Amino acid sequence: EAQVTQNPRYLITVTGKKLTVTCSQNMNHEYMSWYRQDPGLGLRQIYYSMNVEVTDKGDVPEGYKVSRKEKRNFPLILESPSPNQTSLYFCASSPLGTGSHEQFFGPGTRLTVL
Amino acid sequence: AQKITQTQPGMFVQEKEAVTLDCTYDTSDQSYGLFWYKQPSSGEMIFLIYQGSYDEQNATEGRYSLNFQKARKSANLVISASQLGDSAMYFCAMREGPYNQGGKLIFGQGTELSVKP
Repeated sequence: EAQVTQNPRYLITVTGKKLTVTCSQNMNHEYMSWYRQDPGLGLRQIYYSMNVEVTDKGDVPEGYKVSRKEKRNFPLILESPSPNQTSLYFCASSPLGTGSHEQFFGPGTRLTVL
Repeated sequence: AQKITQTQPGMFVQEKEAVTLDCTYDTSDQSYGLFWYKQPSSGEMIFLIYQGSYDEQNATEGRYSLNFQKARKSANLVISASQLGDSAMYFCAMREGPYNQGGKLIFGQGTELSVKP
């Protein structure tokens, strides 16, 4: 089944404790992206990647890191989480250079930073 | 400056009636794409419809159609014959640049649609 998976789905952590949210897709998509969703603000893009070893900042990259060492994986790293990073996070992927425009979203990761 | 604006935080519609969700956008690019996504209460993001800036005809997907008015920079979603299952949050989004080059995707704040029986 074609899908984007994220782990963990729920996470409660404390300020300053490094964490990684994994994202993996099995559709051989070039483009992958991370978003955060906050009430009243919609989804805001954190980072995106056009292919392996190619990443770029979205609108809200501060406090986050990403890497794209393999095509299928795009982990989101919070080196020193703070309470203002409490949010719902989505990973998404899509192909490039084809007629398909749909971004496939993962199920979301709800993060609480105390 | 807000690049995607959805001015209706919440809307109600009677079952089986049509409803229009508004979306205006701002870009100086000639090539861009416009999307609508649905987010039910379960939280997943569901792709509904896409319109490219060079597409001459309005996009349609089943009961969904996108009313694209390029000069007015609007991309309203029309849902015909509303169903109870259409109750959800709806997001308009824009990607600047050619579709085969990826790039940033910018979302609006969303419109919460409630369908009444």
